[in-house]
Amino acid sequence: QKEVEQNSGPLSVPEGAIASLNCTYSDRGSQSFFWYRQYSGKSPELIMSIYSNGDKEDGRFTAQLNKASQYVSLLIRDSQPSDSATYLCALIKAAGNKLTFGGGTRVLVKP
Amino acid sequence: DVKVTQSSRYLVKRTGEKVFLECVQDMDHENMFWYRQDPGLGLRLIYFSYDVKMKEKGDIPEGYSVSREKKERFSLILESASTNQTSMYLCASSLGGQLNYGYTFGSGTRLTVV
Repeated sequence: QKEVEQNSGPLSVPEGAIASLNCTYSDRGSQSFFWYRQYSGKSPELIMSIYSNGDKEDGRFTAQLNKASQYVSLLIRDSQPSDSATYLCALIKAAGNKLTFGGGTRVLVKP
Repeated sequence: DVKVTQSSRYLVKRTGEKVFLECVQDMDHENMFWYRQDPGLGLRLIYFSYDVKMKEKGDIPEGYSVSREKKERFSLILESASTNQTSMYLCASSLGGQLNYGYTFGSGTRLTVV
């Protein structure tokens, strides 16, 4: 089992709809979770971080964390064509201080 | 804003050459990291450093070494480049103990070994 698993996609979403991305992880002691967005040919940029169970909202983005079920999700509301990118889930494992990344989910927002 | 600068955007090197990839950050971050990114394999950690002159192996250190003589600079060295080291190389940095902020990445170096 991979340490951080994401569906590779592509996740096709109509413009204006909600894009829902999921990420599961294997290390139950993982402590900090991050979502990065990566445009084709560019480097990842941090869009959200979450540390406690529940929801965290930032603009059109909402991150959700459920440590008991070992998943973290990202919702993108009112999806725009500019949201088309690969979204990387990352975490810090227990007793660690470096990020472990999932393989990413490619999102396509169609006008 | 933190800036992480990688010296080259594209590099083409020959098999067997010694290759240096340079990374400089301007915000006094303690932690620096080198990743490579390949289609289907995602981001894989090569080496990282928590302080000057300190280094630790990541998940795929074979064929690589690093140097951190100054806090702001972290160099990745390919001792004898091989074609299977053709990849996108990404440098990142973060504050020590301030992992809430995650990493800031450089723009990447796309290395082709021929």
